[in-house]
Amino acid sequence: EDKVVQSPLSLVVHEGDTVTLNCSYEVTNFRSLLWYKQEKKAPTFLFMLTSSGIEKKSGRLSSILDKKELFSILNITATQTGDSAVYLCAVGSLGASKIIFGSGTRLSIRP
Amino acid sequence: NAGVTQTPKFRVLKTGQSMTLLCAQDMNHEYMYWYRQDPGMGLRLIHYSVGEGTTAKGEVPDGYNVSRLKKQNFLLGLESAAPSQTSVYFCASSYIPGGLNTEAFFGQGTRLTVV
Repeated sequence: EDKVVQSPLSLVVHEGDTVTLNCSYEVTNFRSLLWYKQEKKAPTFLFMLTSSGIEKKSGRLSSILDKKELFSILNITATQTGDSAVYLCAVGSLGASKIIFGSGTRLSIRP
Repeated sequence: NAGVTQTPKFRVLKTGQSMTLLCAQDMNHEYMYWYRQDPGMGLRLIHYSVGEGTTAKGEVPDGYNVSRLKKQNFLLGLESAAPSQTSVYFCASSYIPGGLNTEAFFGQGTRLTVV
């Protein structure tokens, strides 16, 4: 059965800390892995990863994919209170009719 | 830019009532989706559409119907609401190629409570 597992489920850190969020997956015919940030309402897109070992960066956020070990990490450096959100990982497969979301990691940044 | 717009934002239904959720996008996207989000469950795909006039079942389609009569609109219907359908519903859309495997743009969600 296809599945996406995120860890930790929740995380509380102080402003300025660096955090690493994990996403592991088991999906038939993997095509892409996507990271979203969800604050109070709709998820917003962060990254899409399709190739192993190529880091994607956007400001203080970065992500990398390991297709051999079937996982991805999302790093946030110098965290700010505005980074507090649920971070969702999603994986899609070739020709599949669905994209599977993990249950998310709830990140809380304390001032 | 409106993006993806869902209506209504909130709704309370009695068991057995019916309702339709409307999703509209102004980005000329081919793919549109309906998800539900429950605590600790992430987003689960209900139905999706790969273009005007087409619909397909997702992961949790039972109890829901959809229609895509116009490219910009994707409707989600509940014929006979049940308490198990209490959830937050998100509509999303995306470009081709890639469809389901590319960035999706989400609406702001509809919080539905069935009592």
